[in-house]
Amino acid sequence: AQSVTQLDSQVPVFEEAPVELRCNYSSSVSVYLFWYVQYPNQGLQLLLKYLSGSTLVKGINGFEAEFNKSQTSFHLRKPSVHISDTAEYFCAVSDNYGQNFVFGPGTRLSVLP
Amino acid sequence: GAVVSQHPSRVICKSGTSVKIECRSLDFQATTMFWYRQFPKKSLMLMATSNEGSKATYEQGVEKDKFLINHASLTLSTLTVTSAHPEDSSFYICSATGTSGEVGTQYFGPGTRLLVL
Repeated sequence: AQSVTQLDSQVPVFEEAPVELRCNYSSSVSVYLFWYVQYPNQGLQLLLKYLSGSTLVKGINGFEAEFNKSQTSFHLRKPSVHISDTAEYFCAVSDNYGQNFVFGPGTRLSVLP
Repeated sequence: GAVVSQHPSRVICKSGTSVKIECRSLDFQATTMFWYRQFPKKSLMLMATSNEGSKATYEQGVEKDKFLINHASLTLSTLTVTSAHPEDSSFYICSATGTSGEVGTQYFGPGTRLLVL
């Protein structure tokens, strides 16, 4: 079974500053990794995903994440955040059949003016 | 591509009534659909997984008779909350995997907020 840890429940950051949202996972099998964003009262939007290949994955809205197998991490980064990036961010993992999808507890990113 | 819709987006009902929520894949065939429940400021909790034409597989602790799931076609799954009570008030989100996008990627609907009075 897979599990996901997001150590930071809340991350406040000033506009135009860089941000990193941490995600660690555990699994006994090969995994797919995802980051989703949820704006208030909305569903989840896929930011980026790692299925295979290059460990540095670029997504929408200027976000990127790096898969580190040895550290079992998939941290999300953005070099310069905007007010509009304020939202809840969820890391998720599945096995490489797309089954056993598990979400982390989420990190609330608050971008301050 | 890979758009999932939900209807209604918001519903208010009286205690004891049943509510049906629809989840549709608009531009792809959804071989598998998932139903999640999200409490305020919490992560998503998987309720059940349904494959087209088969009975849904419910997660431990989810009442099958209370949350009826039907996945009768490759583009539609429904969740019916039977005899709803105030504790069933929540944000319900569906997702789908299928013939669009890459293997293993779930595409989410916009969610349905249920309030039971």
